[in-house]
Amino acid sequence: KNEVEQSPQNLTAQEGEFITINCSYSVGISALHWLQQHPGGGIVSLFMLSSGKKKHGRLIATINIQEKHSSLHITASHPRDSAVYICAAFTGNQFYFGTGTSLTVIP
Amino acid sequence: GAGVSQSPSNKVTEKGKDVELRCDPISGHTALYWYRQSLGQGLEFLIYFQGNSAPDKSGLPSDRFSAERTGGSVSTLTIQRTQQEDSAVYLCASSQDRVYGYTFGSGTRLTVV
Repeated sequence: KNEVEQSPQNLTAQEGEFITINCSYSVGISALHWLQQHPGGGIVSLFMLSSGKKKHGRLIATINIQEKHSSLHITASHPRDSAVYICAAFTGNQFYFGTGTSLTVIP
Repeated sequence: GAGVSQSPSNKVTEKGKDVELRCDPISGHTALYWYRQSLGQGLEFLIYFQGNSAPDKSGLPSDRFSAERTGGSVSTLTIQRTQQEDSAVYLCASSQDRVYGYTFGSGTRLTVV
């Protein structure tokens, strides 16, 4: 069993839809990261969470420490949101990565 | 191995000493990134290698930091005259061509005492 599980693996949405990507982890963490990678592009750090909720533009990330679960939400999705989204659990000593969620937003 | 390997996994060094951190990417991966995670901070980009092109060094925090990639494969991140603020987990990631996604190493925890 992987230390970090993401779902779904692939997601196709219509422009404007509300999107949720889920991440469950089994290790003790000091922080949970959400990363984004566009095709042909580099890795962008979207959020680092240790509790509660963070919002940046149309992106919202939440974490429930007791349930060891985090979600990344995208409101009013747009084709430029199409990317791979990666959840990473940071224990303080090392990282554990999810396999990523490939999101395609269709105009 | 099948994944990205980083060594050492943990390193404790005295302030002022030089350290070398190593990243063995997946064979055939042309793109390689170094990041670091400092206490309470987000992931910080350090340097990016793509094939034989000149590396993007725009993230290196000072001239004490340097990195090289020999033969387009193994990369070494060198920190000279380490300072306590260099303490962090240093993370390496590699990709075939930036299209198919990155594979990450598990990181090297550096502690400067």
